[in-house]
Amino acid sequence: QKEVEQNSGPLSVPEGAIASLNCTYSDRGSQSFFWYRQYSGKSPELIMFIYSNGDKEDGRFTAQLNKASQYVSLLIRDSQPSDSATYLCAVNSRVNTGFQKLVFGTGTRLLVSP
Amino acid sequence: GAVVSQHPSWVICKSGTSVKIECRSLDFQATTMFWYRQFPKQSLMLMATSNEGSKATYEQGVEKDKFLINHASLTLSTLTVTSAHPEDSSFYICSANGRSGRARETQYFGPGTRLLVL
Repeated sequence: QKEVEQNSGPLSVPEGAIASLNCTYSDRGSQSFFWYRQYSGKSPELIMFIYSNGDKEDGRFTAQLNKASQYVSLLIRDSQPSDSATYLCAVNSRVNTGFQKLVFGTGTRLLVSP
Repeated sequence: GAVVSQHPSWVICKSGTSVKIECRSLDFQATTMFWYRQFPKQSLMLMATSNEGSKATYEQGVEKDKFLINHASLTLSTLTVTSAHPEDSSFYICSANGRSGRARETQYFGPGTRLLVL
C-alpha cells in the first residue's frame, strides 16, 4: 500500500465549477498535511497546509482533513483555466520532534476547460 | 518570505563530466534541505535530506558516491552529480525548511534545475 495515494486523473471540470481533489494516507501518526500545485515543467509551490480536523479556507481553496478516515481533500471554488496543473498531496508525520521528510502522493492532474 | 533559489536553471553536459547544482535559501536559515529528482510525467522522488553541518541522509537506492551533497552553511546546499550519464538527465529540485516563520511550517521549493547529459 502506498503511503499517500491520489487519483492520477485527469480531473476535468468546466470553468467556474468546484474541483474536488482527494488524498488518502496510511500513517495514522501523521500530524500535518500539505497541498502543493505543480505546473508542467515547474517546481511545486505550496497552496496550503492543515493540521486539525475540519476545514481550512484560504481564498478559493479549502482544505478538509478527516484523521479518523485518513483522508485530506482540496476544494477549488470558481475553477479557472489557470488552475490547470498537477496537485500534490504531502504528509509529514512528526512535526513536534523536528521536521521530518514529506511523503508525496503521485499527484492529480486537474484540467479546467474554458 | 521563504524563498529558495537554484543555480543553474539549465545545464547540458557531456557524459562523464560532473555537474554541481546550488540551492540557496534567500530570506531564512535553512536548517534542513532536501534534494528531489523528477523524471517526465512522474512524481517527485526524494533523493536525500541534509542538515547543516552534517552528512546527508540518502534514500534507499540513491548512490551517495554519485550524488554528493554538501550543506556547508545555513543558506547553501550543493548537489554534485559525478560522472553524469544520460540516464541522470532529469529535473532536480531542492527544497528547504527552517526554524522560524513560514519556513518552519513546511518545505519551500526552489525553481529546479534541468540536467541534460549527452
